Amino acid sequence: DAGVIQSPRHEVTEMGQEVTLRCKPISGHDYLFWYRQTMMRGLELLIYFNNNVPIDDSGMPEDRFSAKMPNASFSTLKIQPSEPRDSAVYFCASSLTPQGALATNEKLFFGSGTQLSVL
Amino acid sequence: DAKTTQPPSMDCAEGRAANLPCNHSTISGNEYVYWYRQIHSQGPQYIIHGLKNNETNEMASLIITEDRKSSTLILPHATLRDTAVYYCIVGYGGSQGNLIFGKGTKLSVKP
Repeated sequence: DAGVIQSPRHEVTEMGQEVTLRCKPISGHDYLFWYRQTMMRGLELLIYFNNNVPIDDSGMPEDRFSAKMPNASFSTLKIQPSEPRDSAVYFCASSLTPQGALATNEKLFFGSGTQLSVL
Repeated sequence: DAKTTQPPSMDCAEGRAANLPCNHSTISGNEYVYWYRQIHSQGPQYIIHGLKNNETNEMASLIITEDRKSSTLILPHATLRDTAVYYCIVGYGGSQGNLIFGKGTKLSVKP
């Protein structure tokens, strides 16, 4: 499997523009997560989905951020309008539903991230 | 906020064992201890996790104290490629959306 695939790898845009980040999870994984990483705040969970349904979006910073998962193999994170403070690395991760009491397959697989710069 | 405390940085000589400590004194009875690492410019990578017993896999060993208030990740023979930020996390599992990454420990493996 190719792993979690994110695109684009780098995105440079101007303040006020719409930005769309894309993610393809590992085939068969039923959980998908969006994280944001900055020097100041570290790695933060923004939102996660189970079977394409958003479960918890409490980490989404404000209404300018939205995420969708139209099918099991694709998710988008959109920022509209973008601001310089949105500059960060955005990671997508996927996982399987844990099996068994010890959740032996409980692990997150991360993509390579999208480096977003808003000027 | 992260429920763990880790030293901000550590050094290790290449070929020697790297022992990374983590304190999690407020861990709940059925929360797991997870370790991930992040090599520069890459996404975090799962290493190992455990509940009560010590665990070992092809990457590392995890030693959890009997009272579960602390743990140690052991890389038995560190290489230069193990230079990374190592995150110790406690939680009910990634599927619960509560794996909170703290600042981690920056491990530098030196020749």
